Amino acid sequence: ETGVTQTPRHLVMGMTNKKSLKCEQHLGHNAMYWYKQSAKKPLELMFVYSLEERVENNSVPSRFSPECPNSSHLFLHLHTLQPEDSALYLCASSQDPVSGDPNNQPQHFGDGTRLSIL
Amino acid sequence: GESVGLHLPTLSVQEGDNSIINCAYSNSASDYFIWYKQESGKGPQFIIDIRSNMDKRQGQRVTVLLNKTVKHLSLQIAATQPGDSAVYFCAENRGNDMRFGAGTRLTVKP
Repeated sequence: ETGVTQTPRHLVMGMTNKKSLKCEQHLGHNAMYWYKQSAKKPLELMFVYSLEERVENNSVPSRFSPECPNSSHLFLHLHTLQPEDSALYLCASSQDPVSGDPNNQPQHFGDGTRLSIL
Repeated sequence: GESVGLHLPTLSVQEGDNSIINCAYSNSASDYFIWYKQESGKGPQFIIDIRSNMDKRQGQRVTVLLNKTVKHLSLQIAATQPGDSAVYFCAENRGNDMRFGAGTRLTVKP
C-alpha cells in the first residue's frame, strides 16, 4: 500500500478546461515533487517543494501551477493544456536533508494520474 | 549533457534465472543512487539504494553494485520470478533533485 495517494487516477479534459490534480503523503516527509512521465522517456521533474517552499521549477509552462498548502498535500492546477501534455503525472515525497545532514533519502511515489487532453 | 542511461531497453529472462540490469551515469559528483521498479498502471516503487561510499549493497533477492571508476550501476535479481516483470529505473541524486534513466523492461518467461 503506497504512502503517497494521488487523485484522480484518470482524467480526460479539453484544452479549455481547468482541473486540479491532488497528492497526499502519509509518510511524514518534508519534501514533495511533481513529475511528468511520457512514453519511452525518463521521468521529467516539474516542481519541488521543500518545507512547503518551492525550491525548483524546471522551466515548466505557466499552464501548470503547483500549490503546497502544507507538508502533506500537493496540488497541480491545470489550465489551457495542450495535447502534448497528455502523460502520467507522478507525485513523490521524501525526507530531505536538513541542516547540512548529507544523508539522502529515496523518493516515494504515488501511482500517478493518467491525463489525456482532447 | 550529463545524463543517466541504461544499456538495454529490454531484457528477457527465464523464470528462476538471475537477472542483471545495467545503468551508466556520467556525473562523477553524484553520491546517491536508487533503483526503482514500475509495474504497469503503478508508480515507481523503491527497491534498493546505495551511497557512493559503498560498492555493493544487498537486499532481499536483489543486489546493487556501484563501480565509480567507470560510472556504472547494476541491479542483480536472484531467482527471477514472474512478479519481477516490470520496468526498472536507475536514478542518481544531484543536489535537490533526482535524475532518472529511461528504464529497462524486464520480462520473465515461465
